[in-house]
Amino acid sequence: AQSVSQHNHHVILSEAASLELGCNYSYGGTVNLFWYVQYPGQHLQLLLKYFSGDPLVKGIKGFEAEFIKSKFSFNLRKPSVQWSDTAEYFCAVNAGTGGFKTIFGAGTRLFVKA
Amino acid sequence: NAGVMQNPRHLVRRRGQEARLRCSPMKGHSHVYWYRQLPEEGLKFMVYLQKENIIDESGMPKERFSAEFPKEGPSILRIQQVVRGDSAAYFCASSRAGADTDTQYFGPGTRLTVL
Repeated sequence: AQSVSQHNHHVILSEAASLELGCNYSYGGTVNLFWYVQYPGQHLQLLLKYFSGDPLVKGIKGFEAEFIKSKFSFNLRKPSVQWSDTAEYFCAVNAGTGGFKTIFGAGTRLFVKA
Repeated sequence: NAGVMQNPRHLVRRRGQEARLRCSPMKGHSHVYWYRQLPEEGLKFMVYLQKENIIDESGMPKERFSAEFPKEGPSILRIQQVVRGDSAAYFCASSRAGADTDTQYFGPGTRLTVL
């Protein structure tokens, strides 16, 4: 069965620090990968997604993620975080070729100190 | 804003009552997904529906839970005879098509509290 593991449940950073949130998945076939963000009191929003092609994916608000197939990983990065990046981040995966079920990780709560 | 709408945003029920959660997909979207989020956990897939059809309900508990997406009107997630363990946030998402590459857009969720 598919599963998604996010390594850190809580991360605290100061503004301008670099961010990397780990995400590993378990599934041997073709996958589609997503990062979603949930700002306090708001909906889940899509940050970025990977389907195929360049494994380095750029998303909104300066975020990027790199798909490393050999490591089953899809880590999220941002070179310099801002206070407004305080939110919960979810990694998600669904199986390619007809998989409708999206599996989410448990989430990582990021708090950025001003 | 023609995003995914869910109501109510908060719902309180006593044990044994019924809970009805509604989801109106984005305009032009005919695919709806329901997820449940328990405290300190990620979203868990429950069911995927198209208009008048349940496509995948592999994440739905076998008893007390049902979902529909009628030809007209919102999708409904119904929980009969609620128990304390049903307390959670229930999120609905919609997509234009059912392709696995299609982005799902999420609603604000309904927070169900069972007393």
